[in-house]
Amino acid sequence: GAVVSQHPSWVICKSGTSVKIECRSLDFQATTMFWYRQFPKQSLMLMATSNEGSKATYEQGVEKDKFLINHASLTLSTLTVTSAHPEDSSFYICSAKMGNTEAFFGQGTRLTVV
Amino acid sequence: AQKITQTQPGMFVQEKEAVTLDCTYDTSDPSYGLFWYKQPSSGEMIFLIYQGSYDQQNATEGRYSLNFQKARKSANLVISASQLGDSAMYFCAMREGRSNSGYALNFGKGTSLLVTP
Repeated sequence: GAVVSQHPSWVICKSGTSVKIECRSLDFQATTMFWYRQFPKQSLMLMATSNEGSKATYEQGVEKDKFLINHASLTLSTLTVTSAHPEDSSFYICSAKMGNTEAFFGQGTRLTVV
Repeated sequence: AQKITQTQPGMFVQEKEAVTLDCTYDTSDPSYGLFWYKQPSSGEMIFLIYQGSYDQQNATEGRYSLNFQKARKSANLVISASQLGDSAMYFCAMREGRSNSGYALNFGKGTSLLVTP
């Protein structure tokens, strides 16, 4: 199957700092990537849809100024958590759609804000 | 409204037995896709199986099969010959609309499966 690489796999940062998470499709071009957040023992919740070359579409309740998404190329999308706070601690995971039937996920990033 | 419902928070199955994980969905869109993912403790989402709304036959992938009952809007995952490595969270998900629409997946709350020796 297709490979989606997400980096870093885990990060600890101080409150008030910013963290950038990268999502790369390694062997295919992904015109659309999705960013999800998963709190402990909960399901994945869509944060935003990232389209190459255009602004991301955010879900209701997700602050676009806090969660900056850039999709500059067909193989790379980044999520920057700005001025992170402890309540932003979560598991962030991206996915890239390939073709008609499958959506492949990155390995996820476990963010801890202290 | 919840689009994907997984009513089993946790399930136990003995090794080598088969297990069925339930999933019902809600959509008025005639075109949709249903997915099952496995999430081990490491967090990665492992794609297991896909069923399109217009597919005539139930999807199968190795030990995984999807019992698709369109009229009942259910898409249960059947794992045959369970293995200890199957212990994980399992998520059912749906994508609505035409396959090229770029729509994201809606996930259920998941079922935690524990395979015992």
